[in-house]
Amino acid sequence: EVQLVESGGGLVQPGGSLRLACVASGFTFSNDWMRWVRQAPGKGLEWLANINRDGSEKNYVDSVKGRFTISRDNAKNSLFLQMNSLRADDTAVYYCARDQYRSWGQGTLVTVSS
Amino acid sequence: QAVVTQEPSLTVSPGGTVTLTCGSSTGAVTSGHYPYWFQQKPGQAPTTLIYETSSKHSWTPARFSASLLGGKAALTLSGAQPEDEAEYYCLLSYGARGVFGGGTKLTVL
Repeated sequence: EVQLVESGGGLVQPGGSLRLACVASGFTFSNDWMRWVRQAPGKGLEWLANINRDGSEKNYVDSVKGRFTISRDNAKNSLFLQMNSLRADDTAVYYCARDQYRSWGQGTLVTVSS
Repeated sequence: QAVVTQEPSLTVSPGGTVTLTCGSSTGAVTSGHYPYWFQQKPGQAPTTLIYETSSKHSWTPARFSASLLGGKAALTLSGAQPEDEAEYYCLLSYGARGVFGGGTKLTVL
Protein backbone atom coordinates (compact mmCIF):
# COMPACT_ATOMS: atom_id res chain seq x y z
CA GLU A 1 0.00 0.00 0.00
CA VAL A 2 1.34 3.39 -1.00
CA GLN A 3 1.67 5.80 1.91
CA LEU A 4 2.93 9.34 2.30
CA VAL A 5 3.14 10.56 5.87
CA GLU A 6 3.95 14.18 6.58
CA SER A 7 5.28 15.46 9.88
CA GLY A 8 6.94 18.51 11.36
CA GLY A 9 4.07 20.96 11.40
CA GLY A 10 3.20 23.08 14.40
CA LEU A 11 3.01 26.58 15.79
CA VAL A 12 5.89 28.92 14.94
CA GLN A 13 6.39 32.65 15.41
CA PRO A 14 6.66 35.01 12.43
CA GLY A 15 10.21 35.01 11.13
CA GLY A 16 10.82 31.52 12.44
CA SER A 17 11.73 28.29 10.69
CA LEU A 18 10.26 24.84 10.39
CA ARG A 19 11.28 21.67 8.58
CA LEU A 20 8.59 19.40 7.21
CA ALA A 21 9.19 15.77 6.33
CA CYS A 22 7.27 13.33 4.17
CA VAL A 23 8.12 9.66 4.50
CA ALA A 24 7.11 7.44 1.60
CA SER A 25 6.41 3.73 1.48
CA GLY A 26 4.86 1.23 -0.88
CA PHE A 27 6.56 2.44 -4.06
CA THR A 28 10.04 3.11 -5.39
CA PHE A 29 10.55 6.60 -4.04
CA SER A 30 13.67 7.31 -6.09
CA ASN A 31 11.70 6.83 -9.33
CA ASP A 32 9.26 9.65 -8.65
CA TRP A 33 9.33 13.39 -8.89
CA MET A 34 7.86 14.72 -5.65
CA ARG A 35 6.10 17.94 -4.77
CA TRP A 36 4.68 20.04 -1.96
CA VAL A 37 1.24 21.63 -2.08
CA ARG A 38 -0.40 23.74 0.61
CA GLN A 39 -3.88 24.87 1.54
CA ALA A 40 -4.57 27.86 3.75
CA PRO A 41 -7.59 27.55 6.06
CA GLY A 42 -10.78 27.77 4.01
CA LYS A 43 -8.82 28.45 0.82
CA GLY A 44 -7.81 26.58 -2.30
CA LEU A 45 -4.78 24.51 -3.14
CA GLU A 46 -1.45 26.19 -3.89
CA TRP A 47 1.40 24.46 -5.73
CA LEU A 48 4.65 25.17 -3.90
CA ALA A 49 7.59 23.21 -5.21
CA ASN A 50 8.77 20.07 -6.92
CA ILE A 51 11.99 18.10 -7.07
CA ASN A 52 13.25 15.58 -9.60
CA ARG A 53 14.28 12.02 -8.92
CA ASP A 54 17.86 12.63 -7.84
CA GLY A 55 17.31 16.07 -6.33
CA SER A 56 19.29 17.93 -8.98
CA GLU A 57 16.32 19.98 -10.22
CA LYS A 58 14.06 22.02 -7.96
CA ASN A 59 11.29 24.44 -8.86
CA TYR A 60 9.35 26.86 -6.66
CA VAL A 61 6.37 29.16 -6.78
CA ASP A 62 7.50 32.78 -6.63
CA SER A 63 5.93 33.40 -3.21
CA VAL A 64 8.28 30.96 -1.45
CA LYS A 65 11.40 31.23 -3.61
CA GLY A 66 14.38 32.13 -1.46
CA ARG A 67 12.56 31.21 1.76
CA PHE A 68 11.65 27.55 1.25
CA THR A 69 13.93 24.72 0.14
CA ILE A 70 12.74 21.34 -1.09
CA SER A 71 15.07 18.38 -0.76
CA ARG A 72 15.00 14.61 -0.60
CA ASP A 73 16.90 11.64 0.80
CA ASN A 74 16.27 8.65 -1.44
CA ALA A 75 18.09 6.32 0.96
CA LYS A 76 15.50 7.18 3.61
CA ASN A 77 12.51 7.49 1.25
CA SER A 78 12.02 10.98 2.54
CA LEU A 79 11.06 14.38 1.15
CA PHE A 80 11.67 17.59 3.05
CA LEU A 81 10.60 21.22 3.01
CA GLN A 82 12.78 23.65 4.92
CA MET A 83 10.76 26.79 5.58
CA ASN A 84 12.50 29.97 6.74
CA SER A 85 11.35 33.53 7.34
CA LEU A 86 7.84 32.29 7.92
CA ARG A 87 4.95 34.74 7.64
CA ALA A 88 1.35 34.65 8.80
CA ASP A 89 0.20 33.93 5.26
CA ASP A 90 2.25 30.71 5.26
CA THR A 91 -0.31 29.27 7.68
CA ALA A 92 -1.71 26.23 5.91
CA VAL A 93 -1.96 22.49 5.72
CA TYR A 94 1.07 21.24 3.80
CA TYR A 95 0.72 18.15 1.62
CA CYS A 96 3.31 16.09 -0.16
CA ALA A 97 2.36 14.26 -3.35
CA ARG A 98 4.10 11.82 -5.61
CA ASP A 99 4.51 11.77 -9.36
CA GLN A 100 1.33 12.42 -11.34
CA TYR A 101 -0.25 13.20 -7.96
CA ARG A 102 -1.12 9.51 -7.73
CA SER A 103 -0.92 9.70 -3.97
CA TRP A 104 -1.17 12.46 -1.41
CA GLY A 105 -0.24 12.55 2.24
CA GLN A 106 -2.77 13.44 4.90
CA GLY A 107 -1.16 16.85 5.42
CA THR A 108 0.53 18.60 8.32
CA LEU A 109 -0.70 21.91 9.72
CA VAL A 110 1.69 24.84 10.00
CA THR A 111 0.48 27.84 11.99
CA VAL A 112 2.52 31.03 11.94
CA SER A 113 1.43 33.29 14.75
CA SER A 114 2.81 35.26 17.67
CA GLN B 1 2.61 33.89 -12.74
CA ALA B 2 -0.31 32.61 -14.79
CA VAL B 3 -3.81 32.63 -13.35
CA VAL B 4 -5.98 29.54 -13.70
CA THR B 5 -9.72 30.15 -13.59
CA GLN B 6 -12.58 27.87 -12.61
CA GLU B 7 -16.26 28.44 -11.98
CA PRO B 8 -16.62 29.25 -8.26
CA SER B 9 -19.70 27.11 -7.88
CA LEU B 10 -22.00 24.85 -9.88
CA THR B 11 -25.09 22.85 -9.05
CA VAL B 12 -26.21 19.61 -10.64
CA SER B 13 -29.26 17.47 -10.05
CA PRO B 14 -28.82 13.85 -9.00
CA GLY B 15 -28.39 11.83 -12.17
CA GLY B 16 -27.64 14.95 -14.16
CA THR B 17 -24.64 16.06 -16.17
CA VAL B 18 -22.36 19.00 -15.48
CA THR B 19 -19.15 20.30 -17.02
CA LEU B 20 -16.50 22.14 -15.02
CA THR B 21 -13.93 24.18 -16.93
CA CYS B 22 -10.38 25.34 -16.34
CA GLY B 23 -8.95 28.30 -18.21
CA SER B 24 -5.55 29.94 -18.41
CA SER B 25 -4.73 33.64 -18.39
CA THR B 26 -1.97 32.97 -20.92
CA GLY B 27 -4.31 31.71 -23.62
CA ALA B 28 -5.79 28.43 -24.70
CA VAL B 29 -5.22 25.40 -22.52
CA THR B 30 -3.48 22.66 -24.46
CA SER B 31 -2.28 19.15 -23.75
CA GLY B 32 1.09 20.76 -23.08
CA HIS B 33 -0.36 22.13 -19.85
CA TYR B 34 -0.90 18.52 -18.72
CA PRO B 35 -4.23 19.34 -17.04
CA TYR B 36 -5.05 17.52 -13.81
CA TRP B 37 -8.36 17.35 -11.96
CA PHE B 38 -8.71 16.74 -8.23
CA GLN B 39 -11.62 16.16 -5.91
CA GLN B 40 -11.52 17.30 -2.31
CA LYS B 41 -14.15 16.68 0.34
CA PRO B 42 -14.25 18.64 3.61
CA GLY B 43 -11.51 17.67 6.02
CA GLN B 44 -9.84 15.32 3.56
CA ALA B 45 -6.75 15.44 1.40
CA PRO B 46 -7.37 15.84 -2.33
CA THR B 47 -7.66 12.81 -4.56
CA THR B 48 -6.62 12.83 -8.17
CA LEU B 49 -9.35 12.04 -10.68
CA ILE B 50 -7.72 12.89 -13.99
CA TYR B 51 -4.12 13.30 -15.10
CA GLU B 52 -2.60 14.65 -18.30
CA THR B 53 -5.81 15.96 -19.85
CA SER B 54 -8.02 12.88 -19.88
CA SER B 55 -6.34 9.85 -18.32
CA LYS B 56 -8.09 8.19 -15.41
CA HIS B 57 -6.67 6.41 -12.43
CA SER B 58 -7.96 2.98 -11.50
CA TRP B 59 -10.06 4.55 -8.75
CA THR B 60 -11.67 7.23 -10.90
CA PRO B 61 -15.41 6.55 -11.26
CA ALA B 62 -16.42 5.98 -14.88
CA ARG B 63 -18.95 8.82 -14.67
CA PHE B 64 -16.06 11.32 -14.72
CA SER B 65 -14.43 12.20 -18.03
CA ALA B 66 -12.19 15.02 -19.17
CA SER B 67 -11.10 16.74 -22.35
CA LEU B 68 -10.06 20.01 -23.92
CA LEU B 69 -13.06 22.08 -24.88
CA GLY B 70 -13.17 25.56 -26.37
CA GLY B 71 -9.65 26.48 -25.28
CA LYS B 72 -10.12 25.18 -21.76
CA ALA B 73 -9.69 21.95 -19.90
CA ALA B 74 -13.03 20.42 -19.02
CA LEU B 75 -14.22 17.84 -16.50
CA THR B 76 -17.61 16.29 -17.21
CA LEU B 77 -19.64 14.43 -14.63
CA SER B 78 -22.40 12.32 -16.15
CA GLY B 79 -24.93 10.80 -13.80
CA ALA B 80 -24.09 12.81 -10.69
CA GLN B 81 -24.30 11.04 -7.35
CA PRO B 82 -24.75 12.62 -3.92
CA GLU B 83 -21.20 11.58 -3.02
CA ASP B 84 -19.86 13.72 -5.87
CA GLU B 85 -20.64 16.86 -3.89
CA ALA B 86 -17.17 18.28 -3.28
CA GLU B 87 -14.65 20.92 -4.26
CA TYR B 88 -12.94 20.29 -7.59
CA TYR B 89 -9.57 21.75 -8.51
CA CYS B 90 -7.71 21.78 -11.78
CA LEU B 91 -3.96 22.12 -12.11
CA LEU B 92 -2.06 23.33 -15.14
CA SER B 93 1.66 23.03 -15.74
CA TYR B 94 3.69 25.99 -16.95
CA GLY B 95 7.07 24.54 -17.71
CA ALA B 96 8.26 22.82 -14.58
CA ARG B 97 5.84 24.65 -12.27
CA GLY B 98 2.20 24.09 -11.55
CA VAL B 99 -0.67 26.46 -10.90
CA PHE B 100 -3.97 25.42 -9.34
CA GLY B 101 -7.29 26.93 -10.21
CA GLY B 102 -9.34 28.47 -7.44
CA GLY B 103 -11.65 25.48 -7.26
CA THR B 104 -15.29 24.79 -8.11
CA LYS B 105 -17.70 23.94 -5.33
CA LEU B 106 -20.05 21.38 -6.83
CA THR B 107 -23.42 20.91 -5.18
CA VAL B 108 -25.58 17.90 -6.00
CA LEU B 109 -29.13 19.02 -5.34
